[in-house]
Amino acid sequence: EAGVAQSPRYKIIEKRQSVAFWCNPISGHATLYWYQQILGQGPKLLIQFQNNGVVDDSQLPKDRFSAERLKGVDSTLKIQPAKLEDSAVYLCASSLAGGPADTQYFGPGTRLTVL
Amino acid sequence: RKEVEQDPGPFNVPEGATVAFNCTYSNSASQSFFWYRQDCRKEPKLLMSVYSSGNEDGRFTAQLNRASQYISLLIRDSKLSDSATYLCVVNSPSGTYKYIFGTGTRLKVLA
Repeated sequence: EAGVAQSPRYKIIEKRQSVAFWCNPISGHATLYWYQQILGQGPKLLIQFQNNGVVDDSQLPKDRFSAERLKGVDSTLKIQPAKLEDSAVYLCASSLAGGPADTQYFGPGTRLTVL
Repeated sequence: RKEVEQDPGPFNVPEGATVAFNCTYSNSASQSFFWYRQDCRKEPKLLMSVYSSGNEDGRFTAQLNRASQYISLLIRDSKLSDSATYLCVVNSPSGTYKYIFGTGTRLKVLA
């Protein structure tokens, strides 16, 4: 079974530029999550989708971050404009149904450096 | 107070040692609990779920204490390959129910 795919794996941009990340979850998984992991910290949930609807985006900085999952499958996360503090690993995860006991499967992440 | 707290470590232990980590959570309405393992520059992977009755998987034992609001992970007979960061994860009502990660506890098993 193929895992969660993410691209690109690495991205270096200058502040105020824009960047987009892509995620393809495990086939059949209804729930998709985007996390931000800053060095030395645990992952922090940015947004959770159930199919193509948003379940939780309370921690998404909506003035600069946006995410979509138009067909309920793959998803993109965009940052515009980027700030230095956005330097982090952006992890995408998926789970079968989004229930509280579901296992989350993570992709390899995109390591973003903002200069 | 953080919603999920862990000692960041590092815990440096010799091969064969037994080591235990604790994790406390603040919301008594939390529903489910997990330990994830994260190797350096890799993604987190589920190590084990934590059940009320406690559960064991080989050398790993996880326990939940709802009264004191903590979970624990015990690793027996540590191997070099156990060196990693162990993330405590709690599914907690914070708005909606969401997975909240601790900062992780770093373990180094020394030869």
